[in-house]
This record gives sequence, structure tokens and C-alpha cells, in this order.
Amino acid sequence: GAGVSQSPSNKVTEKGKDVELRCDPISGHTALYWYRQSLGQGLEFLIYFQGNSAPDKSGLPSDRFSAERTGGSVSTLTIQRTQQEDSAVYLCASSYGQAYYEQYFGPGTRLTVT
Amino acid sequence: GQSLEQPSEVTAVEGAIVQINCTYQTSGFYGLSWYQQHDGGAPTFLSYNALDGLEETGRFSSFLSRSDSYGYLLLQELQMKDSASYFCAASNRDDKIIFGKGTRLHILP
Repeated sequence: GAGVSQSPSNKVTEKGKDVELRCDPISGHTALYWYRQSLGQGLEFLIYFQGNSAPDKSGLPSDRFSAERTGGSVSTLTIQRTQQEDSAVYLCASSYGQAYYEQYFGPGTRLTVT
Repeated sequence: GQSLEQPSEVTAVEGAIVQINCTYQTSGFYGLSWYQQHDGGAPTFLSYNALDGLEETGRFSSFLSRSDSYGYLLLQELQMKDSASYFCAASNRDDKIIFGKGTRLHILP
């Protein structure tokens, strides 16, 4: 596809379960970002991948959150032992080269922890 | 720390002009971006200013003053479809952008 894709679009899980969220960036985009957005709020930076460099994990809220990017393309965000406060929309974005100010977002995964 | 301030809500009339302001405090500032997000949708990139002055793209214009740590998005000839949230975002030397909390634009017919 031409755009950033994310799956699943919606995920309902029970408190304490682990979840995996997937992001497929635009082909050729070297940078990949994960954000979290709570209802009516701004975008909270979580993690950033650039090429083969070590990821910038400075935004991850706790050690229950982790992410990996395989082959410089697809990324998976994993949340272990989910809590109700993890409920939010998780957005993935990618950008090309040094134009990190121009990010292309996927449709997001709406996570609901019951 | 790094922060951006923008009004939480703005209301304007269809056909009119509206300006959404953004002030920022960020180290290693490179430039200011603007994004639009409709309810239930993903943010979409609108514009980027690295230099002082006005950038025009159709009905939308964006302005930056680095000396004042201030920018704004100007929307002209407002249409109902422009009802959305607008985010300013500051880019810095860390290859990341920090988003403001967003301004919800309400347009009245």
C-alpha cells in the first residue's frame, strides 16, 4: 500500500494481558515513530527508530512497554501486563530521510483495557 | 523542558479567516510544523517553517518568528470540512517532534 498501515485497528484486552501492535511504514521511509493519544489529548511520543541506529526509547512510560523494528521496516509495539491507563489510540508514523518534521501517520490502533 | 502552548478551542464562521497561535519553549529548535486531525482520523501534515516569515499553501498559511518563539496557522475562506483539531509541533536536533495539545476548531455556518 501507499500509506502507513497499522493492525489491529481495534483491540480490547483484559487487564494484565500482553498485547502486540503492528506498524508497516511507507516503503523507503527510514524513520518510524510511535505515539500515544488519549481521548481529546495531544500526541505523546513513545519511541523512535532511525535506520540501523539504536532506537530512542526516551518516551516509553514504563518497562512494560517495548518495541522493535525488524529489517528496517515493520515495527511491533508490545505492552506487557496491560493496565487500564494504557487505554488509548496508538499511532505510528514514518518519515523520509532528514524530513522528520513531515511525518505520515497510520490510522492507529484503539486499545481498550477492561 | 520542552513545551508548546496553543489555545484549546477556537470558533469561527464559515467563509471567514481564523488564526491559531502557538508559542514554544524547546532547546535546539529547528522548525515548526502544523498537523490537522479530524475526529477519528490520523494527523496529516500541513506545513513546516524553518525560517522566519510566512509560508502559503492554498487556503492555509503558516508563520514563524524564531526571535519570539511564536508561530501561527492561518486558515482562509473557512469551510465546514476544516472543522478539526490542529496541532503545532516543534522539531529539534533529536530528530523528533514535540506536539502541542492541539486546538479544536469549530466552524459555524
